[in-house]
Amino acid sequence: KQEVTQIPAALSVPEGENLVLNCSFTDSAIYNLQWFRQDPGKGLTSLLLIQSSQREQTSGRLNASLDKSSGRSTLYIAASQPGDSATYLCAVEAAGNKLTFGGGTRVLVKP
Amino acid sequence: EAEVAQSPRYKITEKSQAVAFWCDPISGHATLYWYRQILGQGPELLVQFQDESVVDDSQLPKDRFSAERLKGVDSTLKIQPAELGDSAMYLCASSLVSGGGTGELFFGEGSRLTVL
Repeated sequence: KQEVTQIPAALSVPEGENLVLNCSFTDSAIYNLQWFRQDPGKGLTSLLLIQSSQREQTSGRLNASLDKSSGRSTLYIAASQPGDSATYLCAVEAAGNKLTFGGGTRVLVKP
Repeated sequence: EAEVAQSPRYKITEKSQAVAFWCDPISGHATLYWYRQILGQGPELLVQFQDESVVDDSQLPKDRFSAERLKGVDSTLKIQPAELGDSAMYLCASSLVSGGGTGELFFGEGSRLTVL
């Protein structure tokens, strides 16, 4: 059974600092990995999707890497802003379109 | 921009009552998911539809939960009777791709259920 872990559960950084969020998964037989953002009381917004054949994806200040063999992905957010404060979740997709989520990392960017 | 619509946004009910949530996915999206998210945790899949067919409902508590997507478009998730432990956010999501990878997943705003 696929298990997805995100450590730390919470993170607080001063504005301008780079953010590094970690995601690990137990079964490397995945189709893709997605990173989502969730604001309090809201749904999830997709940030980046990395196919299993890719090593990384970039969108603006966001960069996500994927190392399937070690079961790890990292989301980098450059030059963090207070508006980046949210919970970030990763999810891996395996056979049968099954998506397994991590517990999320709650990020606070202090002005 | 196309969105996944969910209603109601908030629902407060007493235990043993019935409750229903509705979801309208993005037009043309064949795959529809219902997730339950307990505060502070990641979403957990309850049921997955491919068009009108259930693909996976292995985690759906079938003694009290039911879900349908009769015409392969919108979907309803029902709980009867509701229990205190059902208090959570119920999220609907849809994706365009079917089979061999979901592709990008689009979520609705969710329905927050509180059972008293």
